[in-house]
Amino acid sequence: QSALTQPASVSGSPGQSITISCTGTSSDVGGYNYVSWYQQHPGKAPELMIYEVSNRPSGVSYRFSGSKSGNTASLTISGLQAEDEADYYCSSYTSSNTLVFGGGTKLTVL
Amino acid sequence: QVQVQESGPGLVKPSETLSLTCTVSGRSITDKYWSWIRQPPGKGLEWVGYMYFSGNPHYTGSTSYNPSLKSRAAISIDTSKNQISLKLTSVTAADTAMYYCARDVRVFGAAAGLDGFDVWGQGTMVTVSS
Repeated sequence: QSALTQPASVSGSPGQSITISCTGTSSDVGGYNYVSWYQQHPGKAPELMIYEVSNRPSGVSYRFSGSKSGNTASLTISGLQAEDEADYYCSSYTSSNTLVFGGGTKLTVL
Repeated sequence: QVQVQESGPGLVKPSETLSLTCTVSGRSITDKYWSWIRQPPGKGLEWVGYMYFSGNPHYTGSTSYNPSLKSRAAISIDTSKNQISLKLTSVTAADTAMYYCARDVRVFGAAAGLDGFDVWGQGTMVTVSS
């Protein structure tokens, strides 16, 4: 299984909105509504931010939202804050009953 | 509150077997899907595999593994100790990584075990070197 494709880096200024894309195939992202997004700060374990494309776990800020169109899922962070600077990973269920992650995106808050 | 703690040897020699343990406190590990996920230094996340055990002694549980590991991985559960274990055979330097244990949000239906990991341990670093 091939990793999902994410941009290596994105950046934005405080208060702005940014979007991170996650592109797969019809056998993963495009075929199922089981896409998740994780935030990982340096030296820390990942934290679940979005699951099932657009669901936020309890405690996650409303500034984080997810969507999907065809084989591409997206994570949008609105009202960017300094604490949002981190690595972000998407993942998707696959037709082989396995899980594939994206390569990760480094978000820089300018 | 559920807490997860991974533990392991830290250093493993090439061609040997890596053995890790994930100890869960705060709730039983039964009736939930538990995955191992790894992250090589400076690189991205890779799902290793999962195990589910209902607690029914007549049912061995279910597992799924990343096909890229070519059958080298085996995950098991010890309900008496509330632990999930990972064994990875014939390790090479490519297996050097932080290994995380994580719980999935979904228990039933499609994508059970592979929906989203809402509880993670802090990870245990494993280096493969002679």
